[in-house]
Amino acid sequence: DAGVIQSPRHEVTEMGQEVTLRCKPISGHDYLFWYRQTMMRGLELLIYFNNNVPIDDSGMPEDRFSAKMPNASFSTLKIQPSEPRDSAVYFCASSFLSGTEAFFGQGTRLTVV
Amino acid sequence: EDQVTQSPEALRLQEGESSSLNCSYTVSGLRGLFWYRQDPGKGPEFLFTLYSAGEEKEKERLKATLTKKESFLHITAPKPEDSATYLCAVQAGNNDMRFGAGTRLTVKP
Repeated sequence: DAGVIQSPRHEVTEMGQEVTLRCKPISGHDYLFWYRQTMMRGLELLIYFNNNVPIDDSGMPEDRFSAKMPNASFSTLKIQPSEPRDSAVYFCASSFLSGTEAFFGQGTRLTVV
Repeated sequence: EDQVTQSPEALRLQEGESSSLNCSYTVSGLRGLFWYRQDPGKGPEFLFTLYSAGEEKEKERLKATLTKKESFLHITAPKPEDSATYLCAVQAGNNDMRFGAGTRLTVKP
């Protein structure tokens, strides 16, 4: 397996624009996590899915953020409208079972100007 | 509320100088404690999983241990290529996985 695949790797957008980040988890993994990483706050859990169902979205900062997982091989994180403070590296990770290690993608570096 | 605290924030070692990184945690119903390594510009890379107090795992120059309140990552005779940020994460009964702020390790030749 190629591991967790995220796209794009880099995204620069203007304030107010919609941004969609994409993730393909490892095949057979039942859990998918979205994280945001900044120097100030470290790695923050935004939302996680189990079997394509959102379980806990308490980390989603505002209603501007939304995440979907339409099937077992694809998830999106959308920010609409984007703001400069959303600039960060966004990671997607997947794991096989609860209590097992999560494997991370290479991340999407988002810059909102 | 579940908390994960790592110390020190940064550590500078000479090549060959052994040391330990600490991860203290308070969670309800620990399902697992995880150590990751993160290099600049990359995603965290999995190192170890520990499930119960007294458990130990080893890989090359790294050894992870777990008690009921904390975990240690021991680095024996480190090399410059061990320089990275080391992250600790815990998964609690509610299944979410939360990370500490990390320890930035620099090993000088």
